[in-house]
Amino acid sequence: DIQMTQSPSTLSASIGDRVTITCRASQIVNNWLAWYQQKPGKAPKLLIYKVSTLESGVPSRFSGSGSGTEFTLTITSLQPDDFATYYCQQYDNNWTFGQGTKVEIK
Amino acid sequence: QVQLQESGPGLVKPSETLSLTCSVSGGSLSNDYWAWIRQPPGKGLERVAIYDAGRVTYNPSLRGRATMSADTSGTQFSLRLTSLTAADTAVYYCARHVYGRGMAVWGQGTTVTVSS
Repeated sequence: DIQMTQSPSTLSASIGDRVTITCRASQIVNNWLAWYQQKPGKAPKLLIYKVSTLESGVPSRFSGSGSGTEFTLTITSLQPDDFATYYCQQYDNNWTFGQGTKVEIK
Repeated sequence: QVQLQESGPGLVKPSETLSLTCSVSGGSLSNDYWAWIRQPPGKGLERVAIYDAGRVTYNPSLRGRATMSADTSGTQFSLRLTSLTAADTAVYYCARHVYGRGMAVWGQGTTVTVSS
């Protein structure tokens, strides 16, 4: 399976901060890369697919970029509702997830 | 609008077999991917099995213990996991993955605890 490594594992930030999460794949994933947000006790929510396409209804402060094996999720101005855990997922070859990045209040 | 609902036993004894069902409304199992994803307590997401128009792929870490199937009515799919251990304790989600996109539709999850 392709290994997905996210960094950092935990991120402390304040309201209004710009936040960047990185996801590295152990091999090229041909842009089949998604990002999810998960809050405690809830199912994950799809934010972005195919590296940079925003899912319907997701605020424009979320964006994705990257190619090949390195990808980023950026939140341009962190809002109270954004404190959560974020996962990347490759769906090029079977599916694997990163280990998650918890965004917490600084 | 596709909606998913998991059902399962909640508590299962070690070495026994787990059976979970995902009820599908508003969608067809003949289109897209349908999946079981699990999340152990305090840990990340792990794919268990993926169904794609009759073909199923499994996470190799399960070492042949999992079987995913879809019923002929196309309104539900199931997961069977044998020889359970405490490591199988998790929230089990069913999800729909649209081709080329991600998993935009999830069930609410069902908690499975393996304990004697």
